[in-house]
Amino acid sequence: EADIYQTPRYLVIGTGKKITLECSQTMGHDKMYWYQQDPGMELHLIHYSYGVNSTEKGDLSSESTVSRIRTEHFPLTLESARPSHTSQYLCASSDPRVKSNYGYTFGSGTRLTVV
Amino acid sequence: GESVGLHLPTLSVQEGDNSIINCAYSNSASDYFIWYKQESGKGPQFIIDIRSNMDKRQGQRVTVLLNKTVKHLSLQIAATQPGDSAVYFCAENKSGSEKLVFGKGTKLTVNP
Repeated sequence: EADIYQTPRYLVIGTGKKITLECSQTMGHDKMYWYQQDPGMELHLIHYSYGVNSTEKGDLSSESTVSRIRTEHFPLTLESARPSHTSQYLCASSDPRVKSNYGYTFGSGTRLTVV
Repeated sequence: GESVGLHLPTLSVQEGDNSIINCAYSNSASDYFIWYKQESGKGPQFIIDIRSNMDKRQGQRVTVLLNKTVKHLSLQIAATQPGDSAVYFCAENKSGSEKLVFGKGTKLTVNP
């Protein structure tokens, strides 16, 4: 049973559209992350949050934005989608106080295609 | 800069054989390492972790070995099964850092 949920699982959208990818976790984790991953390739951190009202840019530059108004919710928004945004987007959370390690729990991802 | 990498992008084994997936890291300050398994269409799933004060840690059918001298990490899977077919990633964390650094994956294919 998943503790971190991402919706939608798949999204095909036209260029210029605004989209929001949803991520919610029920574990009470303070830290949440967004990664971008091309199929079979490494994960690139694009955004992270240490808690409510905390958001930081990751190592890979991204035109997306995030918000963290509630602990359990960390949505990612693209104001104007472009074909270069086509990728898989993975959300993760972690809290070493809750788990005995620093490992992340990942959602199943949203596969975005911009046409 | 920091980097975590794997030696082989693909590995093919026969069902029942043991698999060894390798990872090299460059940041000697890293003190925590994790192996993840990612099946097609899913997010990465935690397999096993190890801290730098250990050389070996065993789980169910999996063993992680850490060689800090040469900055090398390996994942051993015993009696590999078709369900083990996936992409495997290693990740590192440096003490005091909030973020994991992921390496390139190794795609494991188990042949029946």
